Amino acid sequence: SSELTQDPAVSVALGQTVRITCQGDSLRSYYASWYQQKPGQAPVLVIYGKNNRPSGIPDRFSGSSSGNTASLTITGAQAEDEADYYCNSRDSSGNPWVFGGGTKLTVL
Amino acid sequence: EVQLVQSGAEVKKPGESLKISCKGSGYSFTSYWIGWVRQMPGKGLEWMGIIYPGDSDTRYSPSFQGQVTISADKSISTAYLQWSSLKASDTAMYYCARQHIGYSSSHFDYWGQGTLVTVSS
Repeated sequence: SSELTQDPAVSVALGQTVRITCQGDSLRSYYASWYQQKPGQAPVLVIYGKNNRPSGIPDRFSGSSSGNTASLTITGAQAEDEADYYCNSRDSSGNPWVFGGGTKLTVL
Repeated sequence: EVQLVQSGAEVKKPGESLKISCKGSGYSFTSYWIGWVRQMPGKGLEWMGIIYPGDSDTRYSPSFQGQVTISADKSISTAYLQWSSLKASDTAMYYCARQHIGYSSSHFDYWGQGTLVTVSS
């Protein structure tokens, strides 16, 4: 089982704001990175570090962290944001790195 | 342009061996970690392990230690993931990705297209 916990599914109305969270003890001292994966495609990095977006990622994606929780926020969700989202960070139980279980985002 | 190009899909029988590859281009292959990630059918991403091609320093997830071997040939900018005896439960998509590791964060910035491994009798 993953040491990073994500809600299995989240939904958001088109154009609204949604927050996807990732909880784990290691997040108190290590930032999470976030990945978007659409069906049949390889994951894509969307947020890393404190709140950094790779080139080409829309600025509606942002990241934050507080205590043992990292968050990915999509401000003004678009239909194309419907995907699975995974967090990744250090693991506090001896596993060098670990992914969260993933959150399936549905845009209504 | 940074690219990671993986070898093609494989269909194997239980007990067979397999080595899949990930060729990097467009950057200094020896200066970045390469990680391997498993995705079983309909499931999430699992971090398997990483290698630093510059000196072949390798780290494994405890879940995969002893089950697979990660290696690299820096002369041809290629990383490998291999099995000595496949099981049906190894059926999955396997991705390689370039992993940046910092003091307080890490991330995978470039990903291969994935290699589908099917193990069936």
